[in-house]
Amino acid sequence: EDQVTQSPEALRLQEGESSSLNCSYTVSGLRGLFWYRQDPGKGPEFLFTLYSAGEEKEKERLKATLTKKESFLHITAPKPEDSATYLCAVQYSGAGSYQLTFGKGTKLSVIP
Amino acid sequence: NAGVMQNPRHLVRRRGQEARLRCSPMKGHSHVYWYRQLPEEGLKFMVYLQKENIIDESGMPKERFSAEFPKEGPSILRIQQVVRGDSAAYFCASSARDRAYEQYFGPGTRLTVT
Repeated sequence: EDQVTQSPEALRLQEGESSSLNCSYTVSGLRGLFWYRQDPGKGPEFLFTLYSAGEEKEKERLKATLTKKESFLHITAPKPEDSATYLCAVQYSGAGSYQLTFGKGTKLSVIP
Repeated sequence: NAGVMQNPRHLVRRRGQEARLRCSPMKGHSHVYWYRQLPEEGLKFMVYLQKENIIDESGMPKERFSAEFPKEGPSILRIQQVVRGDSAAYFCASSARDRAYEQYFGPGTRLTVT
């Protein structure tokens, strides 16, 4: 049973066309939710950590938000260099709390 | 480059051979994590190590896989008698002792078993 589900699997946007990526989780006792960016052939690059519902973080054209059941990664006026796979991961409280459980990612393509 | 270092970046092994993957954590980090990314799958946790200690290996396959993080030198993920199903990207991440929730990833080792 998937504990972290990302949607859509793939998203194609025109440059400047804002949109949102979704990450829903089914676990209880969330310790933290993480967003990473992964370019082809590279390791995940850390973007944001969110800890509690209502929290928001921003970095350039990206804004991450968190509710009790899901997180959104909002991309405002994207550019072609934002094309990548965006990964969501969660950590739980308690035993094994350092493990990251990842979703399968959303592959974003931004067309000039 | 003070980031997480992994080598080799690409490794080709024939069935039955051994694969040794190395990871040097980010400067100042003492915790190392290994994850595996199979084709069309998300990253899966394998093992968590501190210097000379395996803290959690609950994600490691029971046979053929082992990991270590010696007092000196890089962390090693060792796969004995590789099979085609071991073909994957193996990523190492590291964190500081007091910030285990912030894991920074290396570029990965892509293992191909022929």
